[in-house]
Amino acid sequence: QKEVEQNSGPLSVPEGAIASLNCTYSDRGSQSFFWYRQYSGKSPELIMFIYSNGDKEDGRFTAQLNKASQYVSLLIRDSQPSDSATYLCALDSGGYQKVTFGTGTKLQVIP
Amino acid sequence: ETGVTQSPTHLIKTRGQQVTLRCSSQSGHNTVSWYQQALGQGPQFIFQYYREEENGRGNFPPRFSGLQFPNYSSELNVNALELDDSALYLCASSPTRQGPADTQYFGPGTRLTVL
Repeated sequence: QKEVEQNSGPLSVPEGAIASLNCTYSDRGSQSFFWYRQYSGKSPELIMFIYSNGDKEDGRFTAQLNKASQYVSLLIRDSQPSDSATYLCALDSGGYQKVTFGTGTKLQVIP
Repeated sequence: ETGVTQSPTHLIKTRGQQVTLRCSSQSGHNTVSWYQQALGQGPQFIFQYYREEENGRGNFPPRFSGLQFPNYSSELNVNALELDDSALYLCASSPTRQGPADTQYFGPGTRLTVL
């Protein structure tokens, strides 16, 4: 079982819709969770991080964490074509900032 | 722009050769981590350097080695290159080696192709 699992997609949503990206993880001891956005050929960019159960909102982005179900999600409201990218779910799995990534979900926002 | 720079941008090598990749960390950051991202995969942690010493290592063979210099810049060296080493190599710097990784910033990466 992979440590961080994501559906590779592509996930296609129309412009203005809500995109929902999901991730599950195997290590119950994981404490910190991240969502990175990666455009083709570019490096990952941190867009959200969450440490506590519940929701965390930042602009059009909402991260959701359920530690009991070992589940993390990212909602993107009012999706824009510029949101088209690969979204990487990640967690901090060591005391020295070793970040473990999923394989990413490719999001396509259709104008 | 994160303030983390990497060189070169692209590199082509042949199997069996050796390669050195370079990273300059963001000002004030003393910790550098290296990741390998194969096509279609997420980044995988190679190792981390803190104040010139290796501070943790992922599941990579010893032919992957590194250095950190007194100014906190870093090098990744790969010996005896294999075709599967073809990937985007990412450097990330952070101001501390502990705590959550929300202060870790990635450089633009070096694309290595092994023929």
